[in-house]
Parts: sequence; C-alpha cells; structure tokens
Amino acid sequence: AQSVTQLGSHVSVSEGALVLLRCNYSSSVPPYLFWYVQYPNQGLQLLLKYTSAATLVKGINGFEAEFKKSETSFHLTKPSAHMSDAAEYFCAVSTLNQGGKLIFGQGTELSVKP
Amino acid sequence: GAGVSQSPSNKVTEKGKDVELRCDPISGHTALYWYRQSLGQGLEFLIYFQGNSAPDKSGLPSDRFSAERTGGSVSTLTIQRTQQEDSAVYLCASSAQLAGGTDTQYFGPGTRLTVL
Repeated sequence: AQSVTQLGSHVSVSEGALVLLRCNYSSSVPPYLFWYVQYPNQGLQLLLKYTSAATLVKGINGFEAEFKKSETSFHLTKPSAHMSDAAEYFCAVSTLNQGGKLIFGQGTELSVKP
Repeated sequence: GAGVSQSPSNKVTEKGKDVELRCDPISGHTALYWYRQSLGQGLEFLIYFQGNSAPDKSGLPSDRFSAERTGGSVSTLTIQRTQQEDSAVYLCASSAQLAGGTDTQYFGPGTRLTVL
C-alpha cells in the first residue's frame, strides 16, 4: 500500500521568500508522485509530476520538486513566493497497475504575507 | 466541454434521503475517478472507471454508495439513505489513461454535499 505524509498543515511565508512544502511517501513499488494545487472553491490543478524520468521536475508557476529515493521525499519548492501562490497544496502518489488511483496527503495550506 | 463538469455544485439534503451527483468528463477521456474531500478525512479515493467498468471500488465507504458510468462518458455517484458524515465535497476527475497511471487527472470543481 502507498501513503503520503505532508509535514505542516499550514505554512506561512513572506512575499519574495522561498517556498518549501514537504512531502514524504511510502511505497513498496516505484512510485509516481504528483503535486496539485487547490485555490479556494475550485478543483485541483496539477502543478507537476514525477514519472521515473528526471528526478528534478519543473512545473507551472515557477514550482519545482525533486524526487529523492533515499529520503522517500518529493518536496515542492519555489524560489520567490507571490501573493497569488496562496492556496492549498496536495502531494499524491500512484503506482503502475493501480489504474492511476491517487493517494493524497493531508494537504498544506500556504499563506503569503505582503 | 473544455473541462470536467459536475452538477449540482451544491446540494443540501435531509438525513435519510438519496442523492445523485453527476460528472461529465473531458471528451475522449477513458478513465474517470471519484474522490471525496472532507475536513476530517482529507482527500480520499472512492472509485475508478475504465470505460464503463469499475476495476477499483475499494474506496467506497459503505454499501450506501454506488456509482455507474454509461457510454464511456457521464458518471453518476449515488448515495442512499444519506448520513451527516456523508457531508463533504465530492470531486470527479478524468484522464486519457494512456500511460499506465502517470496520466494527468483533470478535476472538476466538485459538488458540495450537506446533509442536515
């Protein structure tokens, strides 16, 4: 079985500061990993995904994440936060032959202070 | 349509009533997923369709929950005899399902269900 743990249910940063949202996974088989963002009263939008190619994955809106097998981590970063980045972020895992079913972490709410 | 649509956007019902939630996936997407988002449980997988069949129903919380998909397109999630713990946002997603589980899932805006 797979699982995802997101460290920190709330993260607050100042505008222009580094954003770091932590995600650790557990999987007995090679995982596929995803970061989704949810803006208030909207559905989820894919930011980026790791599918066993390059370990450093670049996504939309300046976000990137690095797959580290030895640490079972897939942390999301952005060098400089913008006010529009305020949202809830979800890390998710799936595996081959699971039909694409996503197992989500509990989410991290990002606040950006002016 | 351009994206996944869900209806209704909001549903308020009384305990014990049945409800039906509808999902229209992106045209041509063969895979369709239902998830539930609630304060206590976060985002949970409910059921997955490939075409009209449901290979994985493991997330359905009880036999009061059922879902069907017809014509490889629209899906309906039915909750019978609703309970207050069913209150949540029900999200639908679809994907082209061409790459063995790595395809991007596109999510609809959700249906907010409130059981009084």
